[in-house]
Formats: sequence, structure tokens, C-alpha cells
Amino acid sequence: DAKTTQPNSMESNEEEPVHLPCNHSTISGTDYIHWYRQLPSQGPEYVIHGLTSNVNNRMASLAIAEDRKSSTLILHRATLRDAAVYYCILRQIQGAQKLVFGQGTRLTINP
Amino acid sequence: EAGVVQSPRYKIIEKKQPVAFWCNPISGHNTLYWYRQNLGQGPELLIRYENEEAVDDSQLPKDRFSAERLKGVDSTLKIQPAELGDSAVYLCASSPQGSSYGYTFGSGTRLTVV
Repeated sequence: DAKTTQPNSMESNEEEPVHLPCNHSTISGTDYIHWYRQLPSQGPEYVIHGLTSNVNNRMASLAIAEDRKSSTLILHRATLRDAAVYYCILRQIQGAQKLVFGQGTRLTINP
Repeated sequence: EAGVVQSPRYKIIEKKQPVAFWCNPISGHNTLYWYRQNLGQGPELLIRYENEEAVDDSQLPKDRFSAERLKGVDSTLKIQPAELGDSAVYLCASSPQGSSYGYTFGSGTRLTVV
């Protein structure tokens, strides 16, 4: 399974944008980039995923580098409820298709 | 949509006792996963089902862990006998078949073995 590298922790202020980086230099052409987040005492929650193009949904935006070796999850206006551990995961299009979680980034939002 | 339902939410047992966790996935989701999450770590896959078939159980400690998914819907994960190191959160997730879909996780069962 291709690996991802994320900062252990990040901090931001409420109502400001947050950019969560992820490096995946060994990504293959058949890997989707998935983001999940885990709030305290909850199971992980799907946020967004993409393959090559940038993606937007109601929760966040995903910016994917042109060479696909890195990506950034963008929370446009952070709230206190966005405080969570964010996981960047590569998932194969075919084959095992399983999600392999790393350590993730613990995001703290200051009021 | 009810989401993935897991029970119990919490379980405390003495070591060497058996324990079972139950999962009801989202209706229509063919794929079901059991993950284990140790404190401060990301979840680790234990077993993946496609309908009623276990297609990936390579990380399941088969000497004490077992799982079943009868009729391709609900699933049960069992530990017998439990050890102190089994204390963790056990998460169930489901998804439609195919990698372009996200997983939906349940809230998990927190197991404490004393």
C-alpha cells in the first residue's frame, strides 16, 4: 500500500480557512486520494475523495497537485466542530480496495 | 438513513472471557469491514466481507478472533478468550461495492479487558 505523510498536528482559529497537507510521493495511477476525519468518541467520517481533478463538496475542497504527489484538504471556514483527526488515505481503484489509515493530523480549532 | 449501527457501545470484561460485537450495515451496502483502533492510533483492518464472503482476513488473529456475516447483511465479531491487549475500539464500516465510494463507519464498541 502506498504511504501518505501528514503533520502530526495543526492549529487554526475559528472562522478562518484551514489547509491540511498530505504527501503521497509513491502514489500510483490507480490510487484515489481519500480524506476522512474522526471526531472524539466517533468512528471516522468520510470527507471527500478525488483522483486527478480538484473536488468540492459541502464539507470541504480537495486540491490535488498536478503530479499527484501531494494534496491539500481545505476547510473554507473552520468551526469548533471541525476539531478532529484528519486522515489522508490512498485507495486502489482495483484489487484490495481497502483503506489503510496512518496517524493522521490532529486539528485544533481555537475560539 | 440509519447509518451503520453497532452494539454494544461499551463492554468491560475480565480476561479469558468471551465477547461479541454486532454490526448492522447500511441497507444495500455489499461490503462490510471490521477495524480495530488502539488508543492514539489510526484504525487497522481486521476483516473485509463482500456479501457473505470474507475476502480479506489476513490481519485477523484467527487463534482467538472469528467473524461471520450470515446472509450478507449483519455481522458479528467474536473474541474468545479475550486478552488484556485486546482492549481497543472495534469499528464496523460498510460501503457499496467499488473503490469510488466512501466508507460509512459506525460509532464503534469500546472494549476494556481487565
